[in-house]
Amino acid sequence: DVKVTQSSRYLVKRTGEKVFLECVQDMDHENMFWYRQDPGLGLRLIYFSYDVKMKEKGDIPEGYSVSREKKERFSLILESASTNQTSMYLCASSFSSLRQGRQPQHFGDGTRLSIL
Amino acid sequence: GNSVTQMEGPVTLSEEAFLTINCTYTATGYPSLFWYVQYPGEGLQLLLKATKADDKGSNKGFEATYRKETTSFHLEKGSVQVSDSAVYFCALSDQFRAQKLVFGQGTRLTINP
Repeated sequence: DVKVTQSSRYLVKRTGEKVFLECVQDMDHENMFWYRQDPGLGLRLIYFSYDVKMKEKGDIPEGYSVSREKKERFSLILESASTNQTSMYLCASSFSSLRQGRQPQHFGDGTRLSIL
Repeated sequence: GNSVTQMEGPVTLSEEAFLTINCTYTATGYPSLFWYVQYPGEGLQLLLKATKADDKGSNKGFEATYRKETTSFHLEKGSVQVSDSAVYFCALSDQFRAQKLVFGQGTRLTINP
């Protein structure tokens, strides 16, 4: 079974702090994604990566950055946390369509982040 | 750009009732379509998928058919159970390398015994 592991289930931070959310997958997936989930808005893509050291902006990248130094790990960084970044954050991974054709994304259990 | 519109919730049904959750999409090219389910306190799990027109995805008694002519992918189940209570997301992915997903807003389903 594919395993996508997010480092924390719950996290509480203060405004202005630098926050790191970590995600690790064990299936040699090329693609990795970070979403945030808010009531009534579904999931919105923040950033994604289709290879090591490659990253691309999603729909709502403002206030976030990412790092992918190894294939299995994708980090989301809140440079200076603000209260409007309080949300559920979900990491996902998938094979590249170049390798496996059309494949679904596999999700972690999420990190519920509160910024006070 | 691509978008997904999903039936507004919440939806409340009695056990053994018939379920339909509507999903329509707007997309260029040839997207794949998915239904994901999120149980309380968990991440999203793939429920079913369809990769081309007229494909039918099915799993755990749920079904959805990729209808290109109506740009729809409605989720159905003939007889729901209390354990089906969850949030359901319709999504599409583009055909490019990263296969980014675009989600609907989610539909919360509650099944009463």
